[in-house]
Amino acid sequence: QVQLQQWGAGLLKPSETLSLTCAVSGGPFSGYFWSWIRQSPGKGLEWIGESTPSENTNYNPSLKSRVTISIDRSKSQFSLRVDSVTAADTAVYYCVRGPTGWESHWGPGTLVTVSS
Amino acid sequence: DIQMTQSPSSLSASVGDRVTITCRASQSIGTYLLWHQHKPGKAPKVLIYAASNLQFGVPSRFSGSGSGTDFTLTITSLQPEDVATYYCQQAFSVPYTFGQGTKLEIK
Repeated sequence: QVQLQQWGAGLLKPSETLSLTCAVSGGPFSGYFWSWIRQSPGKGLEWIGESTPSENTNYNPSLKSRVTISIDRSKSQFSLRVDSVTAADTAVYYCVRGPTGWESHWGPGTLVTVSS
Repeated sequence: DIQMTQSPSSLSASVGDRVTITCRASQSIGTYLLWHQHKPGKAPKVLIYAASNLQFGVPSRFSGSGSGTDFTLTITSLQPEDVATYYCQQAFSVPYTFGQGTKLEIK
């Protein structure tokens, strides 16, 4: 059974950089899509972006200029970086295998709060 | 972006009831549709993929149907543990998008 464990700073000031990492265990890392998804307080789910099996990346245009998703296959990890955060980036951030089909699986989520 | 519209936004039903949630895409997405269950304080969980395929380990009272633009999630006999918010999500094209969610409660 695949497990996703994620970590990163939970409290940021405006203009700082959000950095989260997700470690994958219990299953292969190669050959899958790896995504980041967030949920702002009281709001719905927003897909941030993905790394594809061929290690290309796709990003949500709403965040594209500030977001970087990177992969470390040697550690079975993938990471999210969001530059110049504001209060609007306050959310629970989830790392996800997929979500495209049967293989889809969510990490536990990390609350990131942006406040001065 | 493909817009996903769910209805209803909230629903209250009794244990044993049949519950139906609908999801409409703003353009045809074939069967590239997933249903997720999200309980408070827990990670979301995939219930259905490819519109009608039950994820491994999900109870058989859950089912999905539809193709193109109109989709349905059905719970045939509601159980107390089904209290959650349910989201549809299109996986046809990036950016993947979600419905606004349906909050299901027990009456």
